[in-house]
Amino acid sequence: DTEVTQTPKHLVMGMTNKKSLKCEQHMGHRAMYWYKQKAKKPPELMFVYSYEKLSINESVPSRFSPECPNSSLLNLHLHALQPEDSALYLCASSQDQGWGYEQYFGPGTRLTVT
Amino acid sequence: EDQVTQSPEALRLQEGESSSLNCSYTVSGLRGLFWYRQDPGKGPEFLFTLYSAGEEKEKERLKATLTKKESFLHITAPKPEDSATYLCAVLVPGNTPLVFGKGTRLSVIA
Repeated sequence: DTEVTQTPKHLVMGMTNKKSLKCEQHMGHRAMYWYKQKAKKPPELMFVYSYEKLSINESVPSRFSPECPNSSLLNLHLHALQPEDSALYLCASSQDQGWGYEQYFGPGTRLTVT
Repeated sequence: EDQVTQSPEALRLQEGESSSLNCSYTVSGLRGLFWYRQDPGKGPEFLFTLYSAGEEKEKERLKATLTKKESFLHITAPKPEDSATYLCAVLVPGNTPLVFGKGTRLSVIA
């Protein structure tokens, strides 16, 4: 089974709201990722967690706050977002970070900021 | 700087008309080259990993090949359900993220 699940599928939030995106995998993978994808563009890396510790933060604004409660779960907390943050947010996981391990992506959360 | 370039940007094929998508890369020390398929509004679906020049992988109508400078995704006798964006990505040594190409949007017309 190579499934990564994400909830919710769609989210509409105002600029003053606080919301969270959730991601789960049960493949025993030790690396998990958050990506942002705009229309007709490739995924853009935001954060990497390796063994439940933040490994990479691609200079993402602080209104995005990641959290890795355990090896199977990854959250992305959202606060005071801007309309330009509207995008498809993708979670992915891989066996480990680096050395040739393929990443498996979830279906994404379509976020609209009004 | 590591670069991944995919061509063509868009490709329109008749059903049954075989073709190839190209992914060229300029990276130091390739650790893996990955092909993904992405349908609109959905997450990328993993297709293949290639590690070294000369390697080939096949799945149904798709075949991926790798040389020292590029990879090809060959599509044999495509069907309309093969319509999607195909993404290529490379992994290099160190604590660095995947480098994605911009993708090829494939349309297969019945």
